[in-house]
Amino acid sequence: QVQLQESGPGLVKPSETLSLTCTVSGGSISSYYWSWIRQPPGKGLEWIGYIYYSGSTNYNPSFESRVTISIDTSKNQFSLKLSSVTATDTAVYYCARREMSGSPFDPWGQGIRVTVSS
Amino acid sequence: DIQMTQSPSSLSASVGDRVTITCRASQSIRSYLNWYQQKPGKAPKLLMYSASNLQSGVPSRFSGSGSGTDFTLTISSLQPEDYATYHCQQSYGTLITFGQGTRLDIK
Repeated sequence: QVQLQESGPGLVKPSETLSLTCTVSGGSISSYYWSWIRQPPGKGLEWIGYIYYSGSTNYNPSFESRVTISIDTSKNQFSLKLSSVTATDTAVYYCARREMSGSPFDPWGQGIRVTVSS
Repeated sequence: DIQMTQSPSSLSASVGDRVTITCRASQSIRSYLNWYQQKPGKAPKLLMYSASNLQSGVPSRFSGSGSGTDFTLTISSLQPEDYATYHCQQSYGTLITFGQGTRLDIK
């Protein structure tokens, strides 16, 4: 079965760029929509954006000026870059799959905690 | 943006209780409503999709209903492993949004 695993630094300095990668195993990254979702401490879930395997993207307008999601089908990975981070970007970041537009998120990665602090 | 509002934000219930959680959308989302269960320190897990379809492997004590703007998740007989936070999520709009979550505690 398909499994997702996030990786990247757990600590990022303010004003720098948060960079995370999600590695997909047990299946192909092709033909699906791949999302990033985050959860600040003690708060709800917030969708950041998705990338289709073809490379087309859709971002939450709340992040649009700061976010880039990319995909590397040869490595079965997709990535998140969030620039100019502040303490409010401290959160657990999840990657997740959707089979098609309108589908639910399933499966999810285990999540990676990222703290923004100097 | 489509706003999703869950109620209650938290509730306490006993094993064996029937529990209902409500999710309301700010506009019609047809049946594009999904429910997730999240336990502390874990990723959300899909419970229900398209409002009333049980995800494979999820116990039948979970059920979902609704369409348009009003949706419910019901647990018919609460079990110890059901204590968790439940999130609704709409996948109708291009901007995907979640409810704020409902925390279910032991009474």
